[in-house]
Amino acid sequence: AQRVTQPEKLLSVFKGAPVELKCNYSYSGSPELFWYVQYSRQRLQLLLRHISRESIKGFTADLNKGETSFHLKKPFAQEEDSAMYYCALKNDYKLSFGAGTTVTVRA
Amino acid sequence: DTGVSQNPRHKITKRGQNVTFRCDPISEHNRLYWYRQTLGQGPEFLTYFQNEAQLEKSRLLSDRFSAERPKGSFSTLEIQRTEQGDSAMYLCASTGRGPNTGELFFGEGSRLTVL
Repeated sequence: AQRVTQPEKLLSVFKGAPVELKCNYSYSGSPELFWYVQYSRQRLQLLLRHISRESIKGFTADLNKGETSFHLKKPFAQEEDSAMYYCALKNDYKLSFGAGTTVTVRA
Repeated sequence: DTGVSQNPRHKITKRGQNVTFRCDPISEHNRLYWYRQTLGQGPEFLTYFQNEAQLEKSRLLSDRFSAERPKGSFSTLEIQRTEQGDSAMYLCASTGRGPNTGELFFGEGSRLTVL
């Protein structure tokens, strides 16, 4: 069965420091993975998808099939990055989400 | 705002009562999803519509839950005989007619509190 695990509930970093959010998955097949973000008082929205291999708001994520991971990284965190981040795995037409990581960037 | 709209935003009810939530997707979207989110958890899939057809229901959706999407436009999620365990945020999402890219557009959610 497909599963997404985000081992960190909370992550606190200083502004300008690197930040990495961990995501591990289990899936029998070729996975499609995503990171969704929810800023305070906003709705859940797509941040990036692995298939696009793009950098959004300075964030990147690399799919590592050997380690079944899709960690989200940013070299220099900003205060506006404070949010809830969810890793998600696509299975047919639906997404399975991890439990989420709350990121707080301190000045 | 032409995004996904959900009503009501908040609902407080007594155990045993029935509640209904409504979702209006983005107008050109033919795929609609309901998710449930409890404290400290990510969204959990409940059900999926393509146009008016309900194509999948999660095991989380007990017999007390029913969802409809008449005419393939708005959708309703009804919970009968509510229980305290039904307290959660109910999220609706939609996506368009093209290839399924995995980008879901979420509403702001309907928060249910069962006393």
